[in-house]
Amino acid sequence: QEKVQQSPESLIVPEGAMSSLNCTFSNSASQSIWWYQQHPGKGPEALISIFSNGNKKEGRLTVYLNRASLHVSLHIRDSQPSDSAVYLCAVSMAQGGRALIFGTGTTVSVSP
Amino acid sequence: EAAVTQSPRSKVAVTGGKVTLSCHQTNNHDYMYWYRQDTGHGLRLIHYSYVADSTEKGDIPDGYKASRPSQENFSLILELASLSQTAVYFCASSEFRGNEQYFGPGTRLTVL
Repeated sequence: QEKVQQSPESLIVPEGAMSSLNCTFSNSASQSIWWYQQHPGKGPEALISIFSNGNKKEGRLTVYLNRASLHVSLHIRDSQPSDSAVYLCAVSMAQGGRALIFGTGTTVSVSP
Repeated sequence: EAAVTQSPRSKVAVTGGKVTLSCHQTNNHDYMYWYRQDTGHGLRLIHYSYVADSTEKGDIPDGYKASRPSQENFSLILELASLSQTAVYFCASSEFRGNEQYFGPGTRLTVL
């Protein structure tokens, strides 16, 4: 059964600093890796996804994927108070009924 | 315009009672999902559907039924609500399996 683990559980960063989040998954047959952002009282929203080994950059976000080590990281440059949220890592499986397997999330708090 | 809506947004139910949670999407997506979110467990898939009049079990289907009467509508039914089903429930839709999922705002269910 696929497992998705995230670290750290919570993170406090000063405004303008880099936020770095980690995610490990258990199945190398996984397809895309997604990062979702969830603000309190809201549903998750997709931020960025990656399929191929290497990195992908979109605006202030950079994602690094290493399939050999089953690890993906999300880095948020120039963190803003509006980035304060829970970040969920989700793995898309190639087979089986489950489309996305979610981790338990990292809570990011950006202090002004 | 919100593409995935849920009703009700919150509900208090009594143990042993019947609860129906509704979801409506205007994305024209084939796939729809029901998740529950609990502290420490992240998002867990209850049921999903990829075509009207058909539903599939997810990871934690016990105690829940689902109904997909049309492409736009997907319901989650708790025939005999229990205390352990107190949680926030999210509906989501996606164009293809494994694609980005679009989430509704959630329903907070409290079973007393």
